[in-house]
Order: sequence, then structure tokens, then C-alpha cells
Amino acid sequence: ELKVEQNPLFLSMQEGKNYTIYCNYSTTSDRLYWYRQDPGKSLESLFVLLSNGAVKQEGRLMASLDTKARLSTLHITAAVHDLSATYFCAVDRISGGTSYGKLTFGQGTILTVHP
Amino acid sequence: GAGVSQSPSNKVTEKGKDVELRCDPISGHTALYWYRQSLGQGLEFLIYFQGNSAPDKSGLPSDRFSAERTGGSVSTLTIQRTQQEDSAVYLCASKVAAATDTQYFGPGTRLTVL
Repeated sequence: ELKVEQNPLFLSMQEGKNYTIYCNYSTTSDRLYWYRQDPGKSLESLFVLLSNGAVKQEGRLMASLDTKARLSTLHITAAVHDLSATYFCAVDRISGGTSYGKLTFGQGTILTVHP
Repeated sequence: GAGVSQSPSNKVTEKGKDVELRCDPISGHTALYWYRQSLGQGLEFLIYFQGNSAPDKSGLPSDRFSAERTGGSVSTLTIQRTQQEDSAVYLCASKVAAATDTQYFGPGTRLTVL
């Protein structure tokens, strides 16, 4: 059974600081997704990482994927209050070499950025 | 363009009643997914449609849950004889095809079973 674990689950940061959220998963997968969820809202796609060594950046967020270590990271640079949200990683289970998009999610990391 | 839409946005029902939740995917998206988000269980996969077929129903919690998709578009998730543990936010997502990249999520239906 595929398991996806994030840490930390709660993250309180000061504005301007840097931090990293980690996402470990238990079985082979070459696709990893990061989503953002604001309170009471749905999931917003942030990054899709499709291969080992993939790195994507958008604004103050940068995501990377190491498929050999089964690890993805979401790095936050110089945090601002607007980044406060819950961040989920999700892994697309590959079956017989085929992916059909069944996502297994991590528990989510609740990020709060303080002035 | 329009995103994934879901209705109703909120549903309050009494234990034992049946409910239907609707999902309108993005036009042209052939793959459609239902997930459930609850405090205790996090985000869980329920069922996947490719066109009108459901190759994977493995996440449906019990036989009280069923889903269908017609015309390769709208999908309905039906919960019969609702129980309090069914209370959750039900999210629908779609993407162009199963093998393509990003799933786009709808706003969800918050179901409360009294």
C-alpha cells in the first residue's frame, strides 16, 4: 500500500525566514504533485514533478523530486503572510507502467506565517 | 474558461437519507475523480472515471456509495442511507486524460449528516 508522509504537519514561521516541507512516499512513483489549500477552499495545483531530479520554482516556492530517495521537498524562501495555507503533496500511483491519476495524499502541512 | 463545478456546495441531511452530489468537469476532460476530505482520514481517493467507465472503484468505503458518469461529462456520487461518518467534504477533480499531468479540483460539497 502506498503511503505518503509529510513533515512537519504544523509550521509556524516568521516573515522573511526560509523553511522546507518534506514529503516521503513508500513505493515507486515518478509523479509527484504539490497542492495548496486555503481555509474553506479547494485544492490549487502548485507543481507537478515528473522525473527524478525535477526542480520547479514559482515565486517564493521551489519544489524538487528525488525518486531514488522517494522524497520531495517544498522550499519556502523569505516567507510572506500570503503563503499561509495548508500544503499537500500527492503521489500518482504507477501500475504496470501506467498512471491514471489516482492520487494518494500526504497529511498536509499547515503553514502559518507571522509578521 | 470554466473550472470544475460541484453542487450543492453544502448539504445537510438526516441519518438514513440518500444524497446525490454532482460534479461538472472541465469541458473536454475525459478523466474524472472523486475524493473525500475529512478531519480524521485526510484526503482519500474514492473512484476514477475514464469516459463513462469506472476502472477503479477501490476507494468507495461501502456499498452504500455509488457513482456514475454520463455522456463523458457530468458525474453523480450517490450515498444511500447516510451515516454520521459520511460527513466530509467531497471533492471532484478532472483532467484531460488519465495519463496527463494536472488534476483540477472543484470547490467541493460539504456534507453534514445529522
